[in-house]
Amino acid sequence: DAGVTQSPTHLIKTRGQQVTLRCSPKSGHDTVSWYQQALGQGPQFIFQYYEEEERQRGNFPDRFSGHQFPNYSSELNVNALLLGDSALYLCASSRDRGGTAFFGQGTRLTVV
Amino acid sequence: KQEVTQIPAALSVPEGENLVLNCSFTDSAIYNLQWFRQDPGKGLTSLLLIQSSQREQTSGRLNASLDKSSGRSTLYIAASQPGDSATYLCAVSWPPNTGNQFYFGTGTSLTVIP
Repeated sequence: DAGVTQSPTHLIKTRGQQVTLRCSPKSGHDTVSWYQQALGQGPQFIFQYYEEEERQRGNFPDRFSGHQFPNYSSELNVNALLLGDSALYLCASSRDRGGTAFFGQGTRLTVV
Repeated sequence: KQEVTQIPAALSVPEGENLVLNCSFTDSAIYNLQWFRQDPGKGLTSLLLIQSSQREQTSGRLNASLDKSSGRSTLYIAASQPGDSATYLCAVSWPPNTGNQFYFGTGTSLTVIP
């Protein structure tokens, strides 16, 4: 079992551009959540997907959007990138409503 | 609103020492609490999960306790080793009718000196 895998591992984008990050959940997991972790801070919840629908959303603007596919993998899209979007983006998977959450290694996004 | 606080922010101990990391949360109606380890620039590794109905969990040299009524959890690390050096994050799943939407503390950075 490969666990939670994220791609790419690192990314550099220019302000105003758009970016797509990808996540494959651990085998047997159907729920995917995305987090943003700024340097020196704890991760902040962006949103959660279950059964291909956004079930919950944190305090993030509409520039942040996502998608979940029938195989439970997920994408995070960020439009109109700002310098402040530079962070480590983490994907977590779990079985619905409980159990241990497993995190991927993250995608380091740098906006210049 | 749920807020999670971790004390201390940083800790440096000699190898072999036992240590305790503290976590507090403001809303006790949590679904579960999880402790994670994070190495620099890396993702999170799950250490222990405590369901809201449980009081503690143990894994090897690690023991985590939960006191929901007082909004506190502790992570006890026995006989610390240099390989334990990392940032330790506490996270609560909240509100309780949701699935693993975590609120994180800012972590405790642990350094174990050989």
